[in-house]
Amino acid sequence: DAKTTQPNSMESNEEEPVHLPCNHSTISGTDYIHWYRQLPSQGPEYVIHGLTSNVNNRMASLAIAEDRKSSTLILHRATLRDAAVYYCILANQAGTALIFGKGTTLSVSS
Amino acid sequence: DTAVSQTPKYLVTQMGNDKSIKCEQNLGHDTMYWYKQDSKKFLKIMFSYNNKELIINETVPNRFSPKSPDKAHLNLHINSLELGDSAVYFCASSPFIAGGPVDEQFFGPGTRLTVL
Repeated sequence: DAKTTQPNSMESNEEEPVHLPCNHSTISGTDYIHWYRQLPSQGPEYVIHGLTSNVNNRMASLAIAEDRKSSTLILHRATLRDAAVYYCILANQAGTALIFGKGTTLSVSS
Repeated sequence: DTAVSQTPKYLVTQMGNDKSIKCEQNLGHDTMYWYKQDSKKFLKIMFSYNNKELIINETVPNRFSPKSPDKAHLNLHINSLELGDSAVYFCASSPFIAGGPVDEQFFGPGTRLTVL
């Protein structure tokens, strides 16, 4: 399985945008880029996913590099509730289990 | 309505006991999973079932046996519990379209198992 590399931790202030990077240089043509987050004492929660084009939803935006070897999860205005571990995951086939790495621990200060 | 529910939320038991964790999803999904999150917070897949049939079985001791009575339920039974089984166990579900891409997985709240 293709691997992803994320910074261990990042810090942000409330109301500011947050850009969470992810490198996936060995991504295959059929791998989708998924982002999940895990708030303290909760199960992982889907955030967004994409294949080639940038994606937006109510939670975040996903910017995918043209060569697909990296991507960035963008939280447009961080809130205290966004403090969580964010996981960047590559997956392709339906029914495939997600392979979680260490993720990025995002801290948000008021 | 809770999409993916697990019972119990907490489970404290002695070494050597047998215990079960139940999972139910009301999303109409075809695929269900069990993940284990250890004390170092690594989240790893254990099993996956599609329409009551086992499709993923990672290197998990035989003491762990998943059972899917119907596609809305995936229970996890653990025999002869060991100290190393202490972890948080998450159930998840997702839609399934054969040959299609991975879709969103919905996770339950987790069951914290402590083996004394």
